[in-house]
Amino acid sequence: GAVVSQHPSWVICKSGTSVKIECRSLDFQATTMFWYRQFPKQSLMLMATSNEGSKATYEQGVEKDKFLINHASLTLSTLTVTSAHPEDSSFYICSAYSGESSYEQYFGPGTRLTVT
Amino acid sequence: GQNIDQPTEMTATEGAIVQINCTYQTSGFNGLFWYQQHAGEAPTFLSYNVLDGLEEKGRFSSFLSRSKGYSYLLLKELQMKDSASYLCAVPDSNYQLIWGAGTKLIIKP
Repeated sequence: GAVVSQHPSWVICKSGTSVKIECRSLDFQATTMFWYRQFPKQSLMLMATSNEGSKATYEQGVEKDKFLINHASLTLSTLTVTSAHPEDSSFYICSAYSGESSYEQYFGPGTRLTVT
Repeated sequence: GQNIDQPTEMTATEGAIVQINCTYQTSGFNGLFWYQQHAGEAPTFLSYNVLDGLEEKGRFSSFLSRSKGYSYLLLKELQMKDSASYLCAVPDSNYQLIWGAGTKLIIKP
């Protein structure tokens, strides 16, 4: 149980276009979802926390108008990278928290974004 | 402030044992996680310690001392596939994980 999927697993887009990444909890309801970004040889960096039905909370330095997060249901959160630039090329990972007593987050497999 | 420290890189030999340490300073404590991350992949869960002591799970064991703010991950009978980064993380009161920088483990034959 506790499976999280991400789609797409990799995407290549042109500079200036927008890309949407989906994160789904397949067999549980996620009260909270987290979006991370990871550059090569660096640690995970939390971008934002989203709760179902409310606005996402962004970490300092993350542009909320550029990285649009929508947590429309208890099983789906989306991250849209708007007007993508080559420096947005990274590995984007989502995780989901079920709200149960354990603090464990279940991670999706990640999405590799390359902006050309 | 909140801080998690772990060594940047370690090297060990196939078949041997290696211990990866993690020290943390946090306001409040909600347990400590260890994750494994292979290059280009998302982290995978290894262990979650809330109480002091050693928890064994196959070749991997995790230890916690809350009074010392210290944990370690013990890997036995090392295999080449254990080459990965090992991440120590502590959840805060908002369920966000505070991450260590990760320890890159290199296994040599």
